[in-house]
Amino acid sequence: QKEVEQNSGPLSVPEGAIASLNCTYSDRGSQSFFWYRQYSGKSPELIMFIYSNGDKEDGRFTAQLNKASQYVSLLIRDSQPSDSATYLCAVRGGTYKYIFGTGTRLKVLA
Amino acid sequence: NAGVTQTPKFQVLKTGQSMTLQCAQDMNHNSMYWYRQDPGMGLRLIYYSASEGTTDKGEVPNGYNVSRLNKREFSLRLESAAPSQTSVYFCASSEAPGKGYGYTFGSGTRLTVV
Repeated sequence: QKEVEQNSGPLSVPEGAIASLNCTYSDRGSQSFFWYRQYSGKSPELIMFIYSNGDKEDGRFTAQLNKASQYVSLLIRDSQPSDSATYLCAVRGGTYKYIFGTGTRLKVLA
Repeated sequence: NAGVTQTPKFQVLKTGQSMTLQCAQDMNHNSMYWYRQDPGMGLRLIYYSASEGTTDKGEVPNGYNVSRLNKREFSLRLESAAPSQTSVYFCASSEAPGKGYGYTFGSGTRLTVV
């Protein structure tokens, strides 16, 4: 059974700090990795994807991938209260489908 | 652009009743999916359709059936609802998941079975 693991949190950070969210996966052959943000009562929305080792930056978000250690991270710089949400990690689990972690709840304290 | 549209948004069923959840996308995506989301369980794949004319089981297909009506529409049917099917259901679509494209999700259907 392919698995994606995330700490459920909540992860609390003060406004303006860096939030670091982590995800580990079991399938060493996985190639595509995604981060989704889900506000309470809303649907997930795609915020980052990464498929190569190293870092990928998009605005205040940086995704980091380490295939040898089988983890992917999401860093949020200058965290804002509006970043408070649940962040879902997803890993490609087959040609047409992705496996999701249970999500990490982030709380940014004003 | 509507994206992915799901109906209804809320539904209460009695045990044993049937219903169909509707999903339509206007992005010309090939692949469509039905997930359920439960507290502490994350998103679990029920069924998916890689392309028009094909459907496949996901992680939790029991108690559900699907129909890919055309490229735009993918419906999920509960034949005899059970309390264990109380959940939030999300439809999603993807342009080319095999090439690393992510999902676009609908707004969800909150289903309660009493």
